[in-house]
Amino acid sequence: DAGVTQSPTHLIKTRGQQVTLRCSPISGHKSVSWYQQVLGQGPQFIFQYYEKEERGRGNFPDRFSARQFPNYSSELNVNALLLGDSALYLCASSLVMGSGETQYFGPGTRLLVL
Amino acid sequence: GQNIDQPTEMTATEGAIVQINCTYQTSGFNGLFWYQQHAGEAPTFLSYNVLDGLEEKGRFSSFLSRSKGYSYLLLKELQMKDSASYLCAVRDRGSGNTPLVFGKGTRLSVIA
Repeated sequence: DAGVTQSPTHLIKTRGQQVTLRCSPISGHKSVSWYQQVLGQGPQFIFQYYEKEERGRGNFPDRFSARQFPNYSSELNVNALLLGDSALYLCASSLVMGSGETQYFGPGTRLLVL
Repeated sequence: GQNIDQPTEMTATEGAIVQINCTYQTSGFNGLFWYQQHAGEAPTFLSYNVLDGLEEKGRFSSFLSRSKGYSYLLLKELQMKDSASYLCAVRDRGSGNTPLVFGKGTRLSVIA
């Protein structure tokens, strides 16, 4: 079975531009979460979606937005990019949204903002 | 607030045993996860603890003490391929949703 997939794998943008990152969860998984991982740090929670609804948002500015589609895939959008947005963006999927549910991570999209 | 502490770096010898500690302070607690992350790759799930005690899975074991806000990951019979970052993550029920709160990770180097 395919795991979590993300596209693109790498991306280079300039300050002020906008970017869209894509994620396809493991087949049958209905919950998708997005994390930002800056070099040398642990992943930081951005959004969680379950059944196409936003169920949680981390401490990120409104420049960050996301959505989940009927097939449970998801997009993360970042507007007005800043240098500090350079990071590895990870998508994680889980079967449902619950306390014991394990989140499985995709390979990530490495974003570099120049 | 939320705070998860792990040592930044550790070095151990091939074939040995290493223990990576994690202490946490969160407004709620609904489980603790350990992930392994090789450089440039995604985190992969290792273990999950929600009750006190030891969970063993092959060469890897994880321990939890909720009263002490403490967990450790024990790696036995270390192999070179175990060189990676190890991330401790807590599910904070108090936040109203179920995202994971991660520590900064412990970079383990296994040497011959």
